[in-house]
Amino acid sequence: QQQVKQSPQSLIVQKGGISIINCAYENTAFDYFPWYQQFPGKGPALLIAIRPDVSEKKEGRFTISFNKSAKQFSLHIMDSQPGDSATYFCAPRGNAGNMLTFGGGTRLMVKP
Amino acid sequence: NAGVTQTPKFQVLKTGQSMTLQCAQDMNHNSMYWYRQDPGMGLRLIYYSASEGTTDKGEVPNGYNVSRLNKREFSLRLESAAPSQTSVYFCASSARQYLGADTQYFGPGTRLTVL
Repeated sequence: QQQVKQSPQSLIVQKGGISIINCAYENTAFDYFPWYQQFPGKGPALLIAIRPDVSEKKEGRFTISFNKSAKQFSLHIMDSQPGDSATYFCAPRGNAGNMLTFGGGTRLMVKP
Repeated sequence: NAGVTQTPKFQVLKTGQSMTLQCAQDMNHNSMYWYRQDPGMGLRLIYYSASEGTTDKGEVPNGYNVSRLNKREFSLRLESAAPSQTSVYFCASSARQYLGADTQYFGPGTRLTVL
């Protein structure tokens, strides 16, 4: 049972463009909605996260939009840079401890 | 602070061999986790330890065992390796369990190949 569906699987964007990655979930018990960023050969690292009581959170060029009724949240990267090229995972947290459920990942390539 | 460290970085095993993956954190975190990462499937939780002295199964525990040796260390053991266990294994830790925006910090991973 796939609880978290992430799209697209891969994305190519020109430098300066906007990258958008989507995450749809089924479990209404999720209470925290982070995005993790992973560079090749490294472990994932928290990029940005949102609580379900707000609809949007912005940190620099990165924005999370959250739609509770649609059970979706998305990551927007404004003015995308080659250094943003990485794999991005949505990983909503359930109510059993601090368990994260990872999406399948989106490989982003930003072309110079 | 080294954060989360894992050893070894790479390992090749033959089917049926056993090995232990080591993980340590120096952030005084209560909770520790083991994940495996396979292409297109994200990260899947194998086992976790909410606090020292406790361990629980995650999504894919079959074929693995864990030991929370102390607050700093959490090891993952493969008793009889199988080719299906070829994967990249990540250890992670976090400060607390239930409340607040609790971040998981990941180690650099162990790339395991089972022939």
